[in-house]
This record gives sequence, C-alpha cells and structure tokens, in this order.
Amino acid sequence: DGGITQSPKYLFRKEGQNVTLSCEQNLNHDAMYWYRQDPGQGLRLIYYSQIVNDFQKGDIAEGYSVSREKKESFPLTVTSAQKNPTAFYLCASSDRDTQYFGPGTRLTVL
Amino acid sequence: DQQVKQNSPSLSVQEGRISILNCDYTNSMFDYFLWYKKYPAEGPTFLISISSIKDKNEDGRFTVFLNKSAKHLSLHIVPSQPGDSAVYFCAATDSNYQLIWGAGTKLIIKP
Repeated sequence: DGGITQSPKYLFRKEGQNVTLSCEQNLNHDAMYWYRQDPGQGLRLIYYSQIVNDFQKGDIAEGYSVSREKKESFPLTVTSAQKNPTAFYLCASSDRDTQYFGPGTRLTVL
Repeated sequence: DQQVKQNSPSLSVQEGRISILNCDYTNSMFDYFLWYKKYPAEGPTFLISISSIKDKNEDGRFTVFLNKSAKHLSLHIVPSQPGDSAVYFCAATDSNYQLIWGAGTKLIIKP
C-alpha cells in the first residue's frame, strides 16, 4: 500500500523538551515537506527537501530542524526554541506539482 | 502579502445545489493550480488541478475553472452532498516544487 505515514497521531510534551515527529513515504517521491496548521488558518511551510541530503527553510523554520538522510524519511524536530509549538503538523511528498499528505500529528505542549 | 487568497472563510449550501468556491491569485508566474479538501484532524486530500494552458478541468462532480486574465479560479461541486462538508484549500505553484496556499474556505452542506 503506497502512501505517507506520520507517527504518532497525538503527541504531548513538556515545555522545554525537544520532540521529533516522524514522516515516511513509500511513493518514491523526491520532494518532501513539513507544514504547520493552526486553528482557522491555512498551511504554513516549515521546511522542504527536494532531494536526499538537502533541505531548505520554509516560511516559519525558526525553532524547527529537519534531516533527509533517506529518500523515504523526513523527520521534523520541534525544539525548545519554538515559541508556540502546539499545532497540527502535516507532512507531504510530491513528484512534481501535486503534493500528497500524511494524516498529520497533533502536538500539544503542556 | 498573500499571493493566493480565498476571501470567503465559510460557505453554506443546500444539499443537491451547486457549491462554488473562489480563489484569487496575484502572481502571474503561477502555472498550475490545485484544490484540496480537508476534514478536521486529517491531512488534506488532493481533489482536482488545472494547468494554466487550460480554462476548465472536470472530474465527476468537480469542475475547476481558470480565468487567467482575472487571476481567478473557482471550484464547482454539483450536486453538493453532505460528505462534501469540509475545508477547501486552493493552492498554486510556478513549478519550483513549492505550493502557495490560500487560507481555506469551510463548506457546509445543509440537508
């Protein structure tokens, strides 16, 4: 079954802790993306990667870090430097213009 | 500055009628446009797209119209069904692998 998986679905962390969100795809897509969605708002791009071992900052990269060591995987780390980390995080991948999304991870900072 | 705008935060339509969702853009370099549908707490699902060389693309109940001179596109859903209730996002790209997203329109289908 081809697709994009994100785990976990719900994640809780204490303030001041780093946390890593997982994103895996078996669609053989070159490009992968991380977005954040806040209530009543659209999608905001955090980071994207067009190829293995390369990634670029999006519009709201501060307080986040990523890695792209494998084509299939694009984990996102939310660091303690991120001021408002509570949000719904979406991972996507694409081969050209159309992006396909995972189910999302809801991160809540307590 | 928002390059892709969805000016209606919400839209309410009677079941069976036509739903029309609108989207405006400012960047004339955009050459590919997409509509996504999103349910709460789920990832967006790709719905339909259109290239700038076309003015219409149809897929079942969904039709997207593009007016390049007005920098405007619209998504028509006919007939509207209860399962169409969701947030609809318009997105555009100039083929640099990035999508520019609108803020979304919440569509409510009334029984």
